[in-house]
Amino acid sequence: DVKVTQSSRYLVKRTGEKVFLECVQDMDHENMFWYRQDPGLGLRLIYFSYDVKMKEKGDIPEGYSVSREKKERFSLILESASTNQTSMYLCASTRSGASGANVLTFGAGSRLTVL
Amino acid sequence: GENVEQHPSTLSVQEGDSAVIKCTYSDSASNYFPWYKQELGKGPQLIIDIRSNVGEKKDQRIAVTLNKTAKHFSLHITETQPEDSAVYFCAASYNTNAGKSTFGDGTTLTVKP
Repeated sequence: DVKVTQSSRYLVKRTGEKVFLECVQDMDHENMFWYRQDPGLGLRLIYFSYDVKMKEKGDIPEGYSVSREKKERFSLILESASTNQTSMYLCASTRSGASGANVLTFGAGSRLTVL
Repeated sequence: GENVEQHPSTLSVQEGDSAVIKCTYSDSASNYFPWYKQELGKGPQLIIDIRSNVGEKKDQRIAVTLNKTAKHFSLHITETQPEDSAVYFCAASYNTNAGKSTFGDGTTLTVKP
């Protein structure tokens, strides 16, 4: 019954490394999102995508980039990881259309530690 | 942009008691208000939502109320059970933004047996 899959649940990387976080959804959703979750700060939107090869900045895009080559896959990229990017990263998707466009389906999260 | 404030940050209740979590939002254009529950080791999951054309919605032991004039909405859980223990997030969005929601900071609910 898994619908949004984040391939890496736990990662440990070193400062300056390039990091890829992968997310795949099997619901044929048009919209995909990457959120960052930190204690006391809720969920903050990093990037989102409404369609293949489209991307838009969220509220905290600095230090991140994304890639969406296929509809079902949305990747978050940290070009040069820093310690302040240690966090839980959540991928989510929604379908387009007024009735369901806001209902986010989340993956289980990827906990990244940057040393 | 939208700003969502959520209170309290932590809430502890005895099993069987009620729990209430409150959120306020700033953008009067927001018209969709979901609540998500996040259990340990899992991603958030939608438990109930309300749209701005409705004042209250119930689903078994949970209910959400919305006051558009005051720009606040609340989650009510009755007859709490230990399995209700989790982090709860409120959110607000405008439906043309296709899911670009602004979240509250979360409330950690603990239900003591």
